[in-house]
Amino acid sequence: QVQLQESGPGLVKPSETLSLTCTVSSASISGYHWSWIRQPPGKGLEWIGYIYESGNTNYNPSLKSRVTISVDTSKKQFSLKLRSVTAADAAVYYCARLISGSGTGLDVWGRGTTVSVSS
Amino acid sequence: QSALTQPASVSGSPGQSIIISCIGTGSDVGFYNLVSWFQQHPGKAPRLIIYEVNKRPSGVSNRFSGSKSGDAASLTISGLQAEDEADYHCCSFAGSSFVIFGGGTKLTVL
Repeated sequence: QVQLQESGPGLVKPSETLSLTCTVSSASISGYHWSWIRQPPGKGLEWIGYIYESGNTNYNPSLKSRVTISVDTSKKQFSLKLRSVTAADAAVYYCARLISGSGTGLDVWGRGTTVSVSS
Repeated sequence: QSALTQPASVSGSPGQSIIISCIGTGSDVGFYNLVSWFQQHPGKAPRLIIYEVNKRPSGVSNRFSGSKSGDAASLTISGLQAEDEADYHCCSFAGSSFVIFGGGTKLTVL
């Protein structure tokens, strides 16, 4: 059974960089797009972006200037970096797998990790 | 790009059917048959229940069904059960490899 696990600091200072990693277990990282999604407290979901095993990426236009998603296939991990964070970036961050060709069929999700932004 | 529009809340009694709408535009819901629906219980990660408008992943009850007409997608839950009480999120592909979510709908089972 495919499992995803997010890891990274739960607290980031304003203007600094948020860095998270998602580890994939019990499945190959090849052949899929891997996504990051976030959910601010009490709000809806927001797509951040995704990456293919080749390293090709697509980002939410509203975050594109601050986001980098990368992949390390040897470690079966993909990572998120969000620069210059503000209080508006505080959220639960999820990693997820995209069903090939479905566009939005995120079929496996991590449990999520809460990131707070405070000095 | 604006978020897809969902009602903030819907409710129904056990055994009834409910419909949750998800309204987009001709650039997302209306153009692509790439709409998904997610169920999210409090404190839990979202769970995919519908993808590509009306396909159900393995293990999802056939009480959940999806459809689309024009710029609006819909999720129907039939035979409502207590465990269906959750938040439901719609999601659509919007071109240029961009994905957009709705604001979420809270379903209350009376």
